[in-house]
Amino acid sequence: SYVLTQAPSVSAAPGQTARISCGGNNIGTKNIHYYQQKPGQAPVLIVYDNSARPSGIPERFSGSNSGNTATLTISRVEAGDEADYYCQVWDSSSDHWVFGGGTKLTVL
Amino acid sequence: QVQLVESGGGVVQPGRSLRLSCAASGFTFSRYGMQWVRQAPGKGLEGLTFISSDGRKTLYADSVKGRFTISRDNSKNTLYLQMNSLRVEDTAVYYCAKDINRGCSGDCPVDYWGQGSLVTVSS
Repeated sequence: SYVLTQAPSVSAAPGQTARISCGGNNIGTKNIHYYQQKPGQAPVLIVYDNSARPSGIPERFSGSNSGNTATLTISRVEAGDEADYYCQVWDSSSDHWVFGGGTKLTVL
Repeated sequence: QVQLVESGGGVVQPGRSLRLSCAASGFTFSRYGMQWVRQAPGKGLEGLTFISSDGRKTLYADSVKGRFTISRDNSKNTLYLQMNSLRVEDTAVYYCAKDINRGCSGDCPVDYWGQGSLVTVSS
C-alpha cells in the first residue's frame, strides 16, 4: 500500500519560513492535500490539489509537488500557525485515502 | 454556514455495536459525497469510509471493512456510521467530513469537518 512519510517535527521562528515535507513514491504524479490541526480541534483543509487554497486560507500557505517529495511552505510564520500538519493523497490502486503521520510545527 | 454535528459516541464494550450520526446543514447535502475519518488518542488521521452523494457508491478502509457501514438519509440531511464488532483499537475521535466538490467518487479532499465524536471501546 502507498506510504506517505513526514518528519515528526519542524520548528521556525516568527517571521521565518517553515517547510513541511511529505515523501512518497512518485508523489508528484498525485494530487496532495494538507490539513492543519490545532490541539483539541478538528482538522482544517489549508491546501488542496498540490497548491490551491480554500477561501479564507492566507496566501502565506503554499504548496508544491514534484518527484518523490511534496512541500507545504508557510511564509512569515506566526505563533498561531503552531499545529500538527497532515498530508493526504488518494491511492487509486487501492481506492484508499492515505495520510502522512503528521508534522508538529513549533513556533520558537 | 456549513455545519456538521456528530452524535452517538460513548463507551462500549468490545464486540458490541454503536451508531454514529452526523447532522449536516448550510449546504445541499444530497449533492456531496461524505466521509468518516478517525483519530486515535495521540495519533494521526485515518480515512475510514466514503459514500457518494446518492449513496450508491461506498468505500472502506481495510481496518473497518466488513464491520462498519456508512449510509445516509438525504431527506434528513444526515450521515451515519454503523459500527459492529468493535475492538479496543477502534477507540478514537470520529469525524464526519464533506467532500470539497460535488460528484466525487471518493478521491476528493474534504473541506468541512464536524467537531468529532469520541468512541471508547473498553471492557
